[in-house]
Amino acid sequence: QVQLQESGPGLVKPSGTLSLTCAVSGGSISSSNWWTWVRQPPGKGLEWIGEIYPSGSTNYNPSLTSRVTILIDKSQNQFSLKLNSVTAADTAVYYCARVSSTWGRDAFDLWGQGTMVTVSS
Amino acid sequence: QSVLTQPPSASGTPGQRVTISCSGSSSNIGSNYVFWYQQLPGTAPKLLICRNNQRPSGVPDRFSGSKSGTSASLAISGLRSEDEADYYCAAWDDSLSVRVFGGGTKLTVL
Repeated sequence: QVQLQESGPGLVKPSGTLSLTCAVSGGSISSSNWWTWVRQPPGKGLEWIGEIYPSGSTNYNPSLTSRVTILIDKSQNQFSLKLNSVTAADTAVYYCARVSSTWGRDAFDLWGQGTMVTVSS
Repeated sequence: QSVLTQPPSASGTPGQRVTISCSGSSSNIGSNYVFWYQQLPGTAPKLLICRNNQRPSGVPDRFSGSKSGTSASLAISGLRSEDEADYYCAAWDDSLSVRVFGGGTKLTVL
């Protein structure tokens, strides 16, 4: 079955760039699915970051659009997140997820386990 | 401050029926589908309810969703200890052009 796995540095310095990768296994990232990133600050709720389609089309949360880039690498069957100019407010667990092709663009039906990223000097 | 408002906590005893509310506005719940996610402690969220009241494959029929106007509800019947988790509602917001989540409700099974 399809699985998602996030990877990347767990510690990023303030004003630096947060870079994460989500590897898709057991299936093709080129399937008719959008792929998305969601984050969760410690002890807080979920925040949608953005999404990408295999064609490269993207949509971002307007509150983050000036700092975020999501890319897809079909040859490696993975997609990535870059968030620049980070501050302590970007400290969170970052999840990658698959957008359901059955239930529509607001249904995230498969999630990675999440990776904790701390912004600190 | 979340765009969708949920009570921070809810509780019930085994076998009981509990409901969790999610209040929004005409630009989100009032005009779009509502989705619910369950997040067990220390794990990633899991899709629980789609399109207001549809259950994805594998979700027990003890879980049900409803929507009326600008509010939605998640009901859990026959409460079990393993239902102890955080529950989040979500919807697209037309005004903000963003997917929004509720602040989450922590369900405790007493």
